[in-house]
Amino acid sequence: DVKVTQSSRYLVKRTGEKVFLECVQDMDHENMFWYRQDPGLGLRLIYFSYDVKMKEKGDIPEGYSVSREKKERFSLILESASTNQTSMYLCAIRDRVAEQYFGPGTRLTVT
Amino acid sequence: AQSVTQLGSHVSVSEGALVLLRCNYSSSVPPYLFWYVQYPNQGLQLLLKYTTGATLVKGINGFEAEFKKSETSFHLTKPSAHMSDAAEYFCAVTKTSGSRLTFGEGTQLTVNP
Repeated sequence: DVKVTQSSRYLVKRTGEKVFLECVQDMDHENMFWYRQDPGLGLRLIYFSYDVKMKEKGDIPEGYSVSREKKERFSLILESASTNQTSMYLCAIRDRVAEQYFGPGTRLTVT
Repeated sequence: AQSVTQLGSHVSVSEGALVLLRCNYSSSVPPYLFWYVQYPNQGLQLLLKYTTGATLVKGINGFEAEFKKSETSFHLTKPSAHMSDAAEYFCAVTKTSGSRLTFGEGTQLTVNP
């Protein structure tokens, strides 16, 4: 079974803090994704990566950056957290036929 | 650009009744289509997918969906709802196996006893 793990299930941070969300996969897939999920908006793509050190902006990259130094790990970085970044963050990987496997999510609260 | 519309952000059914969750998509090329389910405080889990071949697709937990190209639809159905089906359901589309997924806004399913 594919396993996607995220570093924290719940996180509370203060405005202006630098926040790291980590995602680790165990299946050697090239493609990894970060989404945020908000009620009534579905899942919106923040960034994705198709290989080590490769990244592409999704639909809402502002205020975020990413890092992929190793194939199995994809990090989402909030350079200076703001209250409007309070959300559920979901990491996913994609197999060869486009199916995506999701981690359990990190619910981030910025106060 | 692709897009997905899920009709009805909230659907409520009685236990044992038919479940019908609607999804319409727009895509300039033949799509791959997916339904995902999300239980409270969990990530998304794949219910079923259409890539090629038979247009009626069966998934887990008794769900199925039919790809109708002429109607650009991929509605999700289950003949008899169970309390454990209460969750949020997302429809998603991609153009090819090399593309990103575009998700609908989600439909919250409530099952009443």
